[in-house]
Amino acid sequence: AQKVTQAQTEISVVEKEDVTLDCVYETRDTTYYLFWYKQPPSGELVFLIRRNSFDEQNEISGRYSWNFQKSTSSFNFTITASQVVDSAVYFCALLPDFGNEKLTFGTGTRLTIIP
Amino acid sequence: DAGVTQSPTHLIKTRGQHVTLRCSPISGHKSVSWYQQVLGQGPQFIFQYYEKEERGRGNFPDRFSARQFPNYSSELNVNALLLGDSALYLCASSWEGGSNEQFFGPGTRLTVL
Repeated sequence: AQKVTQAQTEISVVEKEDVTLDCVYETRDTTYYLFWYKQPPSGELVFLIRRNSFDEQNEISGRYSWNFQKSTSSFNFTITASQVVDSAVYFCALLPDFGNEKLTFGTGTRLTIIP
Repeated sequence: DAGVTQSPTHLIKTRGQHVTLRCSPISGHKSVSWYQQVLGQGPQFIFQYYEKEERGRGNFPDRFSARQFPNYSSELNVNALLLGDSALYLCASSWEGGSNEQFFGPGTRLTVL
């Protein structure tokens, strides 16, 4: 069975602070994919990153960075120098390599950036 | 290019009624998936259709059904609505399914009274 845990329900930080969102996953598959999505108040899920299980290199995209550690089954997301526009709910998701698109989502972390 | 579109945006129904939600994928995308997102939770997978055939089904009762049309648009049908069906219904499309990135639409907010 697939499971994604986002233990942080809500986080608030002051603008320009760095913040890390945690994601821990469970799967018995050797090949799988991990995703992060952002959900602003409008409701539409915005894709941020996809990582396959064989690629443990950390990735940086502007103010965003991701730390994938297979040994601890974690795929954490860090926002550097946070901005008010980063306020949203962030979801981590897991996809097994079965050929279908059954994403398993965590319960999300609501991030509030205080101006 | 237009993204994934869904209609209607909002819908209010009463218990026992039937509802049809519609989704148009991004042009060229052949796979459509449906998710249910209850308030405060992450989206739950309902169905995936690829080339008009069902490729995956989540843990939802038979009251939920879907189909995909030759133009790759899709409908999600829910019969005998229950209060617990109140949720945001999200549609996602991708090029050919599998591990491809899924692009989500804005969702349909269904309220069952």
